[in-house]
Amino acid sequence: DTAVSQTPKYLVTQMGNDKSIKCEQNLGHDTMYWYKQDSKKFLKIMFSYNNKELIINETVPNRFSPKSPDKAHLNLHINSLELGDSAVYFCASSPLGIQGEQYFGPGTRLTVT
Amino acid sequence: GDSVTQMEGPVTLSEEAFLTINCTYTATGYPSLFWYVQYPGEGLQLLLKATKADDKGSNKGFEATYRKETTSFHLEKGSVQVSDSAVYFCALLNDYKLSFGAGTTVTVRA
Repeated sequence: DTAVSQTPKYLVTQMGNDKSIKCEQNLGHDTMYWYKQDSKKFLKIMFSYNNKELIINETVPNRFSPKSPDKAHLNLHINSLELGDSAVYFCASSPLGIQGEQYFGPGTRLTVT
Repeated sequence: GDSVTQMEGPVTLSEEAFLTINCTYTATGYPSLFWYVQYPGEGLQLLLKATKADDKGSNKGFEATYRKETTSFHLEKGSVQVSDSAVYFCALLNDYKLSFGAGTTVTVRA
């Protein structure tokens, strides 16, 4: 059973397009996250939702919009893609009150050409 | 703001060698500290944690001790295996947010 799953695993698209990445967790966790990992492996948090409510919103261009339809899902929509958006995007989840123990998905490698 | 500094890699070792990855942090208050590991092509996995000063986290032969006086949380393993080849991330939790170090790539040769 996959704990945190993301689709797609790879995404290649052109500048200016709009794309979405989906994330689902079956761990019953209340908190979910989106991270961006650049080519040097540096990992930075983008957003966090707790039970469908946005609780962390880092300095991210407003072309990025997270959406949480329920506490098991957190999707990331990106408008007007730019070359600099190329990265690996990770979804993660954690139990309520234990934010440090995060379970990561396998990542989505986004390449913008 | 909070920050985590890890020793730069890459680190290349022979099997059964001793591994140390240094990690120091800057934070207000009393953060919890973590080590995560990322195997090639995968997401991060929690390796170990420590929630207060002098706590020692351990897992799979890896250990790290929360040293408040030196603001450090160095990762050690006495005898590495080829399967330990991965990227290791030190992280701290403060204000509900996990802040990661830059990661240290470790390669273990047979």
